[in-house]
Amino acid sequence: AQSVTQLGSHVSVSEGALVLLRCNYSSSVPPYLFWYVQYPNQGLQLLLKYTSAATLVKGINGFEAEFKKSETSFHLTKPSAHMSDAAEYFCAVMSSSASKIIFGSGTRLSIRP
Amino acid sequence: DTEVTQTPKHLVMGMTNKKSLKCEQHMGHRAMYWYKQKAKKPPELMFVYSYEKLSINESVPSRFSPECPNSSLLNLHLHALQPEDSALYLCASSQGGSSYNEQFFGPGTRLTVL
Repeated sequence: AQSVTQLGSHVSVSEGALVLLRCNYSSSVPPYLFWYVQYPNQGLQLLLKYTSAATLVKGINGFEAEFKKSETSFHLTKPSAHMSDAAEYFCAVMSSSASKIIFGSGTRLSIRP
Repeated sequence: DTEVTQTPKHLVMGMTNKKSLKCEQHMGHRAMYWYKQKAKKPPELMFVYSYEKLSINESVPSRFSPECPNSSLLNLHLHALQPEDSALYLCASSQGGSSYNEQFFGPGTRLTVL
């Protein structure tokens, strides 16, 4: 069965610093992976997705993620944090039947001035 | 139009009330979803409609009743809810079928049950 694990329920970085949010997956088939962002009192917005076309995936708002099969990881990074990046971030994997998305527990990103 | 809309934005209801949440998309998507999200938790899948037929019910209590009148609309009828049902209810849509496509989410309805 597919699953994702997000390491760290809360990450705090200084404005301008590197953002690294960790996600490890478990999948019996080649995974389809996603990162979503949720700002306070809003729905979820897709940041980027991996569908096996390229291991380095670029998304919106300067975020990118690298798929590493050997490490079963799909970590999200951004070179320079901005105050507006403060939000909840969810890593997710598509189920093998493509009938639903399975979410990780989420990581809350805080940005220090 | 690449938007999923949800109404109302906020809803307060008593335990004896009957109310409905509405969701609409005009992206031609054939799969639509209802999620429940409690504070500081990921969304929990409740129902999936595929080509207007209920394909997944994640053992949701019968006080929640989904309806898909057509391919663009999804409703969630609420009756005799409990205070623990207070949450953010999110609707989403995707292309559907066997395609591995992302889901597009609406802004949610914040439900409070008194």
